[in-house]
Amino acid sequence: EIVMTQSPLSLPVTPGEPASISCRSSQSLVHSDGNNYLDWYLQKPGQSPQLLIYLASNRAPGVPDRFSGSGSGTDFTLKISRVEADDVGVYYCMQGLQTPLTFGGGTKVEIK
Amino acid sequence: QVQFMQSGAEVKKPGASVKVSCKASGYTFTNYAVHWGRQAPGQGLEWMGWINTATGYTEYSQKFQGRVTITRDTSANTAYMELSSLTSEDTAVYFCAKDSGVGWYFLSWGQGTLVTVSS
Repeated sequence: EIVMTQSPLSLPVTPGEPASISCRSSQSLVHSDGNNYLDWYLQKPGQSPQLLIYLASNRAPGVPDRFSGSGSGTDFTLKISRVEADDVGVYYCMQGLQTPLTFGGGTKVEIK
Repeated sequence: QVQFMQSGAEVKKPGASVKVSCKASGYTFTNYAVHWGRQAPGQGLEWMGWINTATGYTEYSQKFQGRVTITRDTSANTAYMELSSLTSEDTAVYFCAKDSGVGWYFLSWGQGTLVTVSS
C-alpha cells in the first residue's frame, strides 16, 4: 500500500497571501504513460470533497487559476497564489496509481 | 449535469449490515466506474473499493475484504455498497464517487450517507 504524507497538518493563512501544501508518497507515482497519478481535493466544511488538481498539475474544470499543482515521483506541492476566504477547508492529496487508492492525512487551511 | 443521490442516514446495531445506495444521473451510467469511500467523524478519507458498472467487476481494499460488497443495477443507474459485521468503528459518512474514465480521480461525488453503529 502506498502511504501518503502531507504537511503541514494545519495552515493558518492571511487573505491575499500565498499558501503551499506538501504531499509525499512512499513510492513513485509515475505511471508507464508518463503521468504522475496524484490528485488534490478540497473538502469544505460540511461538504463532499471536490477535485482541484488531477494528474499532479491539471486543474479540474471550474477551479480558479490561483490553484496550481506541481511535482513528480514522490514529492508534490499544491500552491494557492492568493488565498481567499472561500478556500478554507481540509486539503487532501490522493494517489491514483494503484489500489488501494490512498489519501494523505489532510491539511486544514484556516484564515488567520 | 452529473449528480449522485445517496440514500439517507442509517443507525445500526453492532453485528448488523448496512446497504447504501447511490443513484446517478446526467451521464451514461455504464461508461464510468463508481468508487466508494468513507470518512469517520473528524478523520480523513478512506477508499473502500470500486465497481466497473458495465461488467460488474469489483475490487476492494484488503481492509474491508470479506465484509464489503459493491453491486450495481444498470436499469436503475444505481450503485450499492453493503458493509456487514458492523462495529462502532464503522461509524462514518460513506461516499460514492464517479471515476473520470481515464484515471482514478473523482470529479463528482455523492452527498454522503451517515451510518451510525450503536447499541
